[in-house]
Amino acid sequence: ILNVEQSPQSLHVQEGDSTNFTCSFPSSNFYALHWYRWETAKSPEALFVMTLNGDEKKKGRISATLNTKEGYSYLYIKGSQPEDSATYLCAFWDNFNKFYFGSGTKLNVKP
Amino acid sequence: DSGVTQTPKHLITATGQRVTLRCSPRSGDLSVYWYQQSLDQGLQFLIQYYNGEERAKGNILERFSAQQFPDLHSELNLSSLELGDSALYFCASSVENQVFDGYTFGSGTRLTVV
Repeated sequence: ILNVEQSPQSLHVQEGDSTNFTCSFPSSNFYALHWYRWETAKSPEALFVMTLNGDEKKKGRISATLNTKEGYSYLYIKGSQPEDSATYLCAFWDNFNKFYFGSGTKLNVKP
Repeated sequence: DSGVTQTPKHLITATGQRVTLRCSPRSGDLSVYWYQQSLDQGLQFLIQYYNGEERAKGNILERFSAQQFPDLHSELNLSSLELGDSALYFCASSVENQVFDGYTFGSGTRLTVV
């Protein structure tokens, strides 16, 4: 079983702050990385699917970068809003057709 | 509504019992995946079916089994239930190339074993 680690485990920020968190994964046998947003009492929602080293994806105020050589991805939220409060999950897909989720970063944005 | 339907939403049962969780994938998706989220645990992949056949297996206990029917809905059977099986069980579906499209998750079934 591979280790996909996310840090920090939780984060409390004020409305308007920008924030970022990290997903670390094995640098070998990389195939793809997914980011999901998971609000309480709802199901995870796909944010980004990243496959290439150096990939940068953006969706509104949320963006993500990928470094497959060193095994990490950053998720950035610019000008956090209370509705951004959720758990952000990353998931790593390897060349052996296995898929592993990290344990998530729980973001709480205070108004 | 994500298009992936899971029933029931909540289930409370006693230890030793058997339950069946049901999942209908999004229209057009051939793959169904089952995940378990226990207290303080991340999502753990259990099993994947593609067009009726088992495609991949994760950390699924022998007491658990699943199948995908010709109409593509899937059922996860949990037997000889233990207290530790209490968890949120998610089903997800995807088109074949889920690596590039990601998964669509259902809203989950919360199982409580008492």
